[in-house]
Amino acid sequence: DAGVIQSPRHEVTEMGQEVTLRCKPISGHDYLFWYRQTMMRGLELLIYFNNNVPIDDSGMPEDRFSAKMPNASFSTLKIQPSEPRDSAVYFCASSLWASGSYNEQFFGPGTRLTVL
Amino acid sequence: EDQVTQSPEALRLQEGESSSLNCSYTVSGLRGLFWYRQDPGKGPEFLFTLYSAGEEKEKERLKATLTKKESFLHITAPKPEDSATYLCAVPARPGGYNKLIFGAGTRLAVHP
Repeated sequence: DAGVIQSPRHEVTEMGQEVTLRCKPISGHDYLFWYRQTMMRGLELLIYFNNNVPIDDSGMPEDRFSAKMPNASFSTLKIQPSEPRDSAVYFCASSLWASGSYNEQFFGPGTRLTVL
Repeated sequence: EDQVTQSPEALRLQEGESSSLNCSYTVSGLRGLFWYRQDPGKGPEFLFTLYSAGEEKEKERLKATLTKKESFLHITAPKPEDSATYLCAVPARPGGYNKLIFGAGTRLAVHP
């Protein structure tokens, strides 16, 4: 299995531009997570999906951020308009549901976003 | 508010020098604690799940333990390849097991 795939790996953009990050979860996994990691705030959960449906988006910082999962094999995280404070590493993770216990989350390699 | 605090922030060890990393948490009704390893430029990689006080898990040179207030990751006779950032996380309430709160991590460097 190729694991969780994210693209692009690096993105440099200018303030005000739209940014779209992409994720392909592990085949068969029914949960998908978007995280953001910065030195100041560490690793934070932004939103997660179950069977393509958003379950909890309370971590999305503001309306400039949106996430979609049109099918089981693809998700996007969009920032419009982008701001320098959005600079971070964004991780996508996926997991397979198991009753009554923690389901290991498999993380992708991340997208390093720099907003100038 | 649920919080996870890890210490030390950074730790430098000589190869073979055993030590422990700490993860303390303030969350009511702990339902589990998870340890991850993160190498530079990569996503976190799952290590252990601990569900109840007194539980221990081992993997090669790593052993994780859990009390009612904290968890320790013991590293016995570490090797340079154990160098990484070690993250712990707990499930937030509400949120089931999916909404995790991560600590800031401990950056471990093992020198030959």
